[in-house]
Amino acid sequence: AQRVTQPEKLLSVFKGAPVELKCNYSYSGSPELFWYVQYSRQRLQLLLRHISRESIKGFTADLNKGETSFHLKKPFAQEEDSAMYYCALSAPGSARQLTFGSGTQLTVLP
Amino acid sequence: EADIYQTPRYLVIGTGKKITLECSQTMGHDKMYWYQQDPGMELHLIHYSYGVNSTEKGDLSSESTVSRIRTEHFPLTLESARPSHTSQYLCASSDAGTGVSPLHFGNGTRLTVT
Repeated sequence: AQRVTQPEKLLSVFKGAPVELKCNYSYSGSPELFWYVQYSRQRLQLLLRHISRESIKGFTADLNKGETSFHLKKPFAQEEDSAMYYCALSAPGSARQLTFGSGTQLTVLP
Repeated sequence: EADIYQTPRYLVIGTGKKITLECSQTMGHDKMYWYQQDPGMELHLIHYSYGVNSTEKGDLSSESTVSRIRTEHFPLTLESARPSHTSQYLCASSDAGTGVSPLHFGNGTRLTVT
């Protein structure tokens, strides 16, 4: 069965500093990976997905199959990036869609 | 405006009561889901539906039941609420296209059973 691990429950960085939110997964095949974000008082929403290879709000994430990781990175954190971030995995052909990690609460300090 | 709606946002209810959490979407999505989330924990899929009259149980065993009589409506029912049911319940929907479509989430219902 697939599993997603986010080792950091809480992460604090100063404004302008680089930030990396870690995500590791266990799945033997080729999964699809996603990052979802929940800002304060807002609903959970998609941030980015690895197949799009896009940068959203300055965030990027690279799928590393060798290390089974999908870390989320931003070179210069902003205060508005403070939010809860969830990594999620979908196995091809899976009828049950997404498996979520437990989330990382990012706080960007002024 | 196309969206996904959950009611109520908060519900405090006594043990043994029957409750129904409502979820409706106006996006024309075929796929709908219910996730359960305890504070600081991951989201667990408890029910999903790929269309009208189609419902399946998710990875996390749940005493709740769901129905999908209309495409836009996917209510979740607990026949007899217990304190162990206290949690946040998130409804989501997605397109039925090929591949994995992004999930659109509602605002959630925070349930407390006393």
